[in-house]
Parts: sequence; structure tokens; C-alpha cells
Amino acid sequence: GAVVSQHPSWVICKSGTSVKIECRSLDFQATTMFWYRQFPKQSLMLMATSNEGSKATYEQGVEKDKFLINHASLTLSTLTVTSAHPEDSSFYICSASVQRETQYFGPGTRLLVL
Amino acid sequence: SQQGEEDPQALSIQEGENATMNCSYKTSINNLQWYRQNSGRGLVHLILIRSNEREKHSGRLRVTLDTSKKSSSLLITASRAADTASYFCATDLMEYGNKLVFGAGTILRVKS
Repeated sequence: GAVVSQHPSWVICKSGTSVKIECRSLDFQATTMFWYRQFPKQSLMLMATSNEGSKATYEQGVEKDKFLINHASLTLSTLTVTSAHPEDSSFYICSASVQRETQYFGPGTRLLVL
Repeated sequence: SQQGEEDPQALSIQEGENATMNCSYKTSINNLQWYRQNSGRGLVHLILIRSNEREKHSGRLRVTLDTSKKSSSLLITASRAADTASYFCATDLMEYGNKLVFGAGTILRVKS
């Protein structure tokens, strides 16, 4: 149980385009979902916390107009990287929380912006 | 700065040996969690230890927590090649509730 999926698993796009990444909790309802990014050989950095039906809470330094988060249901959250640039290339990972303890992580999405 | 600092940054051992990784943190926590990440993959939750617990076991994993020293350790006994991965501690901060702050991680390599 407690499986989280992400789609796509990897994406290559041209600079200036927007990319949407989906995060789904497959066998449970998640009231809270989190979005992280991870650069090579580095740790995870929290970007934003998303609660179903409300606006996401962004961490300091994360541009909310750049990284649009929508949490439309208890099983789906999306992250849209708008007008992507090469510096946005990274590994994006989502997680979902059932209760306010353990987070279950998706497999990640690797984004490469050319 | 990151809440959790881990050492060592990298650890290389032979199969069958034990591996110990340490994590230190700065502020009060609700709990501390350990995760494993295989290269290019998502994170796998290993174990959660609450602030009022001192030790926890799960299979070949043993986690200790010393809140007076603000530190935790993860011990993997009888390591296997399949244990090769990056290991992260993550602290659930009291003032933020359920927001995890990750340490820098330890890269473990188990040689067969």
C-alpha cells in the first residue's frame, strides 16, 4: 500500500515551453502533497506544500509564478514549470502524506530543458 | 542551512559488514525519519522514530535517537550489495508539523 506515482518519469523540452508533472496517490487519499527538487548528488529541497482544495505554500526563494501547483483532488497534484529554462533542469519528486507523519514518495521526474 | 547534517558523506564497505550513518540536527523535532534512495529513483521510507523514543528496529536496521545531543544514527547490519544507495535523514520540525527537512545524505557502497 501507500503507492505514489509520477508522470512523466522523464521529459526533455525546449527552453520557453511549459511542462506539467503529475503526482498521484494510487491507493490512498492524501490530504497533503509535497514537491521537492533535487540536483545531482545533492539532497532534496522542499519547494512547496500542497493541500487539497487550497493554495500551495511555497518555500522561501521558490517562485510561485514559475512553479504552478494545483491540488485538485485527494489523489492528484500537478506541478507546472512555466517557461522552462535550462537552469530548471532537475529531478522533481513529489510525496504524499496520509496522516501528519510518514511521507510516501513518488519515483521522481527528470526534467531536461534544452 | 539544512537542518540535518550527515556523516560520513560516503561510506564503502564489504558485504557482510555493518554500516553506520549519523545525522545531527539543530532544532526541536516531532520525529526523525530515514529514507533510502537508489540512483535516479524516488525515496523509500525506512523507519520513523519519534522524539520520545530512543531506539527502533526494523529487520536489519537499527535507529537510535539522542534528543539531548540532537543526533541520530542508522545502523545496517550484515550489509548486502543491494543496500548500495544514498541514505537521508529527515527531520519533522515541531514548529512546522509534517514538513520534512532533509540532510545532505550518505552515499553507501557495499562491495560484493
